[in-house]
Amino acid sequence: DGGITQSPKYLFRKEGQNVTLSCEQNLNHDAMYWYRQDPGQGLRLIYYSQIVNDFQKGDIAEGYSVSREKKESFPLTVTSAQKNPTAFYLCASSIKINTEAFFGQGTRLTVV
Amino acid sequence: RKEVEQDPGPFNVPEGATVAFNCTYSNSASQSFFWYRQDCRKEPKLLMSVYSSGNEDGRFTAQLNRASQYISLLIRDSKLSDSATYLCVVNRATGFQKLVFGTGTRLLVSP
Repeated sequence: DGGITQSPKYLFRKEGQNVTLSCEQNLNHDAMYWYRQDPGQGLRLIYYSQIVNDFQKGDIAEGYSVSREKKESFPLTVTSAQKNPTAFYLCASSIKINTEAFFGQGTRLTVV
Repeated sequence: RKEVEQDPGPFNVPEGATVAFNCTYSNSASQSFFWYRQDCRKEPKLLMSVYSSGNEDGRFTAQLNRASQYISLLIRDSKLSDSATYLCVVNRATGFQKLVFGTGTRLLVSP
């Protein structure tokens, strides 16, 4: 089946640790995105990539890093520099930048 | 002023009712508009794109009013399964281009 797969679904992190969230798509989409959603708030853009080997900061990139070495994959690392990492993280992809975006099932990250 | 604004609701309606949501946007240069549906603790799912001529898909109708800078979503014959949060999405066409998500309007359909 075509789609976007995020893993893990739930992730617990100790303070001071870096963790990496996986996002894979087999839709042959050029653009990929990472969003963060906090309770009662809209989606906020962390990073986006228009094409392989290129990515740009979104509105809230501090404390996060990404890579785009393959078209299908756009992993997000939440570093210890991110002060409030507990949130729902959503990966999305679209054919081209800013066209209809399709989302993975999300990863719930909790700092313990 | 927020780039995309929605009434958070909740809108409480009985089954079979017709309900409408509006969403206003601030960037007159925006070209792409979408409605997404998000169930509790799930990912957003594309409901429909909104075209200049309007768009209808079964019980759902979306309209765009460029002059007043708002888009609307009309749901006819509401079902219990329509209960969800509806997100308005607009592209930011100038400067740092991206899709801007509204915070959503919550709909509760009761028996």
